[in-house]
Amino acid sequence: DAGVIQSPRHEVTEMGQEVTLRCKPISGHDYLFWYRQTMMRGLELLIYFNNNVPIDDSGMPEDRFSAKMPNASFSTLKIQPSEPRDSAVYFCASSLRGSDTQYFGPGTRLTVL
Amino acid sequence: QKEVEQDPGPLSVPEGAIVSLNCTYSNSAFQYFMWYRQYSRKGPELLMYTYSSGNKEDGRFTAQVDKSSKYISLFIRDSQPSDSATYLCAMSGRQAGTALIFGKGTTLSVSS
Repeated sequence: DAGVIQSPRHEVTEMGQEVTLRCKPISGHDYLFWYRQTMMRGLELLIYFNNNVPIDDSGMPEDRFSAKMPNASFSTLKIQPSEPRDSAVYFCASSLRGSDTQYFGPGTRLTVL
Repeated sequence: QKEVEQDPGPLSVPEGAIVSLNCTYSNSAFQYFMWYRQYSRKGPELLMYTYSSGNKEDGRFTAQVDKSSKYISLFIRDSQPSDSATYLCAMSGRQAGTALIFGKGTTLSVSS
């Protein structure tokens, strides 16, 4: 299995631009998670889906952030408009119901200038 | 007070040393406790998982949970340079594999 796939791996953009991060979970997994990691705040859960349905989005920092999962094999995290404080590494993870393991992707390193 | 506290280190030890990594937490509802290892510029990967209190051993790694003290530990015996990474504790009050609360991570460096 290829594992969780994220794209792009690196993104540099200017303040005010729209940013879209993409994730392909492991085939057959029914949970998908979006996390953000910074030095100051560590690894924080933003939102997670079960069977493509958002279950908990309480970690989404504000309305500039949105996430979708149109099908079982694809999810996006969008930031519009982006701000310098959004600079972080964004991880996608997936897991199988009843499993104790979340499998993380390699992350997208976002820099907003 | 943050829900999960973890000393960020860095922690530097010589090869072969015993390493102790710790986290404290405040939410008594947590029942699932995990340790993830994260190499530089990689995603975290699950290292150890424990449900409720007690010990669990896997090779050179031992995880301990003391719910009465709200304190979890990870011990690494005979540490190796390949153990150099950031170790994150994580916990949840619900079914394992769902929403996790992570510590900030402790960066460990093992020198040969």
